[in-house]
Amino acid sequence: EIVLTQSPGTLFLSPGERATLSCRASQSVSSSSLAWYQQKPGQAPRLLIFGASSRATGIPDRFSGSGSGTDFTLTISRLEPEDFAVYYCQQYGSSPETFGQGTKVEI
Amino acid sequence: EVQLLESGGGLVQPGGSLRVSCAASGFTFSTYAMSWVRQAPGKGLEWVSVISVRGGSTYYADSVKGRFTISRDNSNNILYLQMNSLRAEDTAVYYCAKSAEVQNKYYFDYWGQGTLVTVSS
Repeated sequence: EIVLTQSPGTLFLSPGERATLSCRASQSVSSSSLAWYQQKPGQAPRLLIFGASSRATGIPDRFSGSGSGTDFTLTISRLEPEDFAVYYCQQYGSSPETFGQGTKVEI
Repeated sequence: EVQLLESGGGLVQPGGSLRVSCAASGFTFSTYAMSWVRQAPGKGLEWVSVISVRGGSTYYADSVKGRFTISRDNSNNILYLQMNSLRAEDTAVYYCAKSAEVQNKYYFDYWGQGTLVTVSS
């Protein structure tokens, strides 16, 4: 199975700053089949990005995804207070679908 | 508005069984694959199982294969997960997720709030 490694484990930033989150796959993810999710404490995950770079419905344009092959990035251009959360990547290029271990964005 | 409401979680002894359900509304349930994803306390996300539109195809994570069964009732818009031979490591919040298919693989565009399953004596 494809193992996804997210870095860093925790990102300490302030509102207004730029956040860059990395997701590296143990083998190439076909067709850029990579998604990003946001999860706040006590809440379900929310889809942010699919297809490596397509924003899901209702997601602000400060969230952007990029990458292909084995290296993917989620960028939050200017952090808003509500963006402090845990972010997970997920690959759906091969079975089984797998998730990264998460990156926590903290103030 | 898409809504997914899980129920049926609770405390069960090791080796026991439990069935969790997910009531769906706000979309045409019978035209989407559906999945279960779980999250152990303080841990990350783990895909558990997916079922095709009509229920003819089901897939499972190796960790639950042979013990869990996913099913759906398209007449009543309900997704199920029957869990048998439960182990302590099955303790988790179980999320129901509407699934978007890409070449028979899935990502998850809407999630329920989850139901907690605790396996302990």
